[in-house]
Amino acid sequence: NAGVTQTPKFQVLKTGQSMTLQCAQDMNHNSMYWYRQDPGMGLRLIYYSASEGTTDKGEVPNGYNVSRLNKREFSLRLESAAPSQTSVYFCASSGPPGTQINYGYTFGSGTRLTVV
Amino acid sequence: GESVGLHLPTLSVQEGDNSIINCAYSNSASDYFIWYKQESGKGPQFIIDIRSNMDKRQGQRVTVLLNKTVKHLSLQIAATQPGDSAVYFCAEIGGTSYGKLTFGQGTILTVHP
Repeated sequence: NAGVTQTPKFQVLKTGQSMTLQCAQDMNHNSMYWYRQDPGMGLRLIYYSASEGTTDKGEVPNGYNVSRLNKREFSLRLESAAPSQTSVYFCASSGPPGTQINYGYTFGSGTRLTVV
Repeated sequence: GESVGLHLPTLSVQEGDNSIINCAYSNSASDYFIWYKQESGKGPQFIIDIRSNMDKRQGQRVTVLLNKTVKHLSLQIAATQPGDSAVYFCAEIGGTSYGKLTFGQGTILTVHP
């Protein structure tokens, strides 16, 4: 099925541990994004990649790194996890503006991360 | 910084009623708005969008209204059903924030049978 696939769905880390969240899309979208969602809040942009080979910081990039591995894949890495990074992480992808309804903006189902 | 916010955090309605969810935005350069529905444990799901050159757009049971004068948009859901219970977010793209959505806080809609 076409869409955005995230792994893992759930993860518990100890403070200081590292991990990588994986994201892949099969819609041939140029742009990919990582958001985090804290309880009672909307999604906030961590990093984005407007096209393959480029990455840029979003609203809340501290403590994270990203890699746009190829057009399909965009990973998010926590080098040293902190309790403040406990959140639900969503990956998304989109096409060029003006060419699709909603830019084709599609979200994955999320990764629920707990840092203890 | 620029932000998009919601007036009401919760809304409870009876099945069959019409629901109205509101959103205020502050970025006057915003030119594209999207309403998302998010069910528990799932990612945001696209409902309807509207461009800044429009005042109204209708979908199936949903209507989005945009008032650029007061920087306000609303989502109207007709004949609300229990399956409409979810968190609803408005989001905007515009100005220099190409491709990057700015989300509002969200409104919890609860539909009682």
